[in-house]
Amino acid sequence: GAGVSQSPSNKVTEKGKDVELRCDPISGHTALYWYRQSLGQGLEFLIYFQGNSAPDKSGLPSDRFSAERTGGSVSTLTIQRTQQEDSAVYLCASSLGVTAIRNYGYTFGSGTRLTVV
Amino acid sequence: ILNVEQSPQSLHVQEGDSTNFTCSFPSSNFYALHWYRWETAKSPEALFVMTLNGDEKKKGRISATLNTKEGYSYLYIKGSQPEDSATYLCASGSYNTDKLIFGTGTRLQVFP
Repeated sequence: GAGVSQSPSNKVTEKGKDVELRCDPISGHTALYWYRQSLGQGLEFLIYFQGNSAPDKSGLPSDRFSAERTGGSVSTLTIQRTQQEDSAVYLCASSLGVTAIRNYGYTFGSGTRLTVV
Repeated sequence: ILNVEQSPQSLHVQEGDSTNFTCSFPSSNFYALHWYRWETAKSPEALFVMTLNGDEKKKGRISATLNTKEGYSYLYIKGSQPEDSATYLCASGSYNTDKLIFGTGTRLQVFP
């Protein structure tokens, strides 16, 4: 597609339920990132995929969070047993690769606003 | 400085006012400084990428400067308009990481 696509754009879920957030990056972009912004906080890194390399999961806040990227394209971020502190805007971004990131930055999706009630 | 820091956290100005914000970043292993504009319910939009000490970039009424030795960047908006209302994010890229490190952002509201 022309840009990074995320779905759903909004999600309200009950505490304790599982949610899946989807990201469809720009075709050909090998690097894919997930970030989140909680109320009053900065953009917090969650996980990074680069090609076929093992993902950098160092930002995942707990083992309730996981992500996968199938076929080097679409990525799904899963949050199990959601808690109220998981409420945030979850942003996905993609880039051609590490060098492109340094020179051009990311192309972001418009995010998923997750509200846990 | 170990993190990327932005100030002020929020700013309210009248239409026509000029304004500026600050981004402080780690100067060691520095590669590039990125500025983004993030309007509500939209994707963050890239404004500038700067790499060299003394860089100045301009896009319309918005400009930015970079000091890599002391680790700061300024973003200036001349003659603010209501459509400038957004959160302005800066992010630092360095040689020792494959990801950008973001500041908390400056939320700008411009009143007519």
